Amino acid sequence: DSGVTQTPKHLITATGQRVTLRCSPRSGDLSVYWYQQSLDQGLQFLIQYYNGEERAKGNILERFSAQQFPDLHSELNLSSLELGDSALYFCASSVADGGVAKNIQYFGAGTRLSVL
Amino acid sequence: AQTVTQSQPEMSVQEAETVTLSCTYDTSENNYYLFWYKQPPSRQMILVIRQEAYKQQNATENRFSVNFQKAAKSFSLKISDSQLGDTAMYFCAFHGSSNTGKLIFGQGTTLQVKP
Repeated sequence: DSGVTQTPKHLITATGQRVTLRCSPRSGDLSVYWYQQSLDQGLQFLIQYYNGEERAKGNILERFSAQQFPDLHSELNLSSLELGDSALYFCASSVADGGVAKNIQYFGAGTRLSVL
Repeated sequence: AQTVTQSQPEMSVQEAETVTLSCTYDTSENNYYLFWYKQPPSRQMILVIRQEAYKQQNATENRFSVNFQKAAKSFSLKISDSQLGDTAMYFCAFHGSSNTGKLIFGQGTTLQVKP
């Protein structure tokens, strides 16, 4: 158990809908990262938050947004869903925000999103 | 931009044998971190081993070790005494010291350990 909790484990929805994925980081971790794993794109970084502030953005679509709350949990909102958004969405957390030796990312179990 | 390449989509090994998974990367940075993550059929991403680029000594974690060749930008993973539980997809990942925390992943290598 990594200590990172993601809910729900599975989500099935229809095109055009909006969903929210939730992540609770490990105790003491200030950074939260979101990654998307799909068959054609592999594992791709979406966005990072550190202590409530957005720190880095990757290939995140405009239809997607995220935030980190004062209690450090994070939510990834996906709207106007398309078939191609079906993927495994991972949350990871780490203690710091940059490239330092102690900044190891620990991953949650992921949320599998199926858009029908 | 940094890139990570895993040129072996699939590999197999007999139980108790040794296998090496390859990874190359491209970066202009001097200080960075490299990781191997394991993704078993449960889909959980599990950290296997990490290497700090400023350390010359290759990292070792029990049956897992790396061969880090900084000049060649190569970072291979050796699994000794392979076990059935090692069956998984393995991802090589790069983490620069200058950017914020994102990991850049390779395409993955699916490893099958055969009894």
